[in-house]
Order: sequence, then structure tokens, then C-alpha cells
Amino acid sequence: QVQLVESGGGVVQPGRSLRLSCAASGFSFSTYGMHWVRQAPGKGLEWVAVMWSDGANKYYADSVKGRFVISRDNSKNTLFLQMNSLRAEDTGIYFCARESPVTEGGSDVFDMWGQGTMVTVSS
Amino acid sequence: SYVLTQPSPVSVAPGQTARITCGGDNIGSKAVHWYQQKPGQAPVVVVSDDSDRPSGIPERFSGSNSGSTATLTISRVEVGDEGDYYCQVWDDNTDHWVFGGGTKLTVL
Repeated sequence: QVQLVESGGGVVQPGRSLRLSCAASGFSFSTYGMHWVRQAPGKGLEWVAVMWSDGANKYYADSVKGRFVISRDNSKNTLFLQMNSLRAEDTGIYFCARESPVTEGGSDVFDMWGQGTMVTVSS
Repeated sequence: SYVLTQPSPVSVAPGQTARITCGGDNIGSKAVHWYQQKPGQAPVVVVSDDSDRPSGIPERFSGSNSGSTATLTISRVEVGDEGDYYCQVWDDNTDHWVFGGGTKLTVL
């Protein structure tokens, strides 16, 4: 079954850390760029970070740069997001998403998403 | 950083045409993708590269992009089309992906 399953969310105090995981199955994980996208309660989508398939490049949204670290273990088909120095504004659902074209010859889009894992930063 | 601007909620009657815009600086030079998100669900791409429709997406969904505005058009709107719609581009200046703020579509 082709799917992405996130885990690791929960309630954490401001300033603490949390590590999210995204387990991929049913496709060749190591050949795809992978992203984290978050959504604050009642708000829109916010791109968080990307890691290329070979792990050579990573990019972060300005709002998380220096605090969050994206990584992957291609041998275990898993994407990670290490979140440090968490703030209240980091609260939301965190989705992992696969990057791939959806039409022949098309640009990459986020063609597959997990169901998300909820992170709540509160004292 | 690159900013995408989407309008306030859009409401249409069933069978009518809904148009959702996405504004950005010279957005016509970028590939714009559109996602539909229903409550409690993950987003789904409905239009890619301005006007391409992925497999399984009804022909009622179409897109255009020129100048400073990209537009998602939904013809013969159905109740099942209700949800939030987001435009997205890749900013090649920063290697960042950008989403618009989203537009809620209500089918009256």
C-alpha cells in the first residue's frame, strides 16, 4: 500500500524539543524529495522544510531555520523532523509530503501526503 | 520572500462557475499548482503547472496563469467541491516552496 504515515506529535512545553517521523511504504522512498508542511489550527498551509532524495540538500522556511532539522533514513524509508526550541506558534498539524510530477513532463508537486500528526506547544 | 495572495471566501450556487485567484509578483513566469483540502483531510493537487489536470481530477477543474494573477476555475460546481483551495509555487530565488493563504469555497 502506497502511503505516508506520520507519528511523534504530542503536547510539549515551550522551549522543549520533539521529533516527528514519517514512514513511507509502497514506493521507492530513496528516489523522492520529501517535505514537511504544517497547518496551524484553522489556518492555511505553511511549507516547513525539504530534503532532496540523496540527502545532499535541505532547505527550511525562515520561520523554522536554525531550530528545526530535517533528515531521512533511506534504509528505513523514514523521514524525520527534529524540532528544537519550540514556540507556541509552532502548534499545528504536521504533514509529510512526497514531491513528484503528476503529469508527464510536468513540474514537481506534492503528490502524496500523510494524514498528519498534531503538535501542541503549550505550558 | 515571495508572497502569494488569495481572496476572501468564495460562494457559488451549484451548477455555477467558481473562480479563485492567486496573486503574486510576475506569477505568470512561474508554474502554479492548486490544491483542494477538505475538512480533516490532507490536501490533494487538482491543477498542476498552471493548467494541467492530474489523472482522476474532473475536467470541470481548469487553470490559467498570466501576468500577476493565476486563476483556478471550477465549472458546474458541485456540493462536493466545497473546501479550501491553495495555490503554490516554487521560488527559485530561495529554493523555498510557497503556499497562498487559501480560499474557502462554499457551495450555497
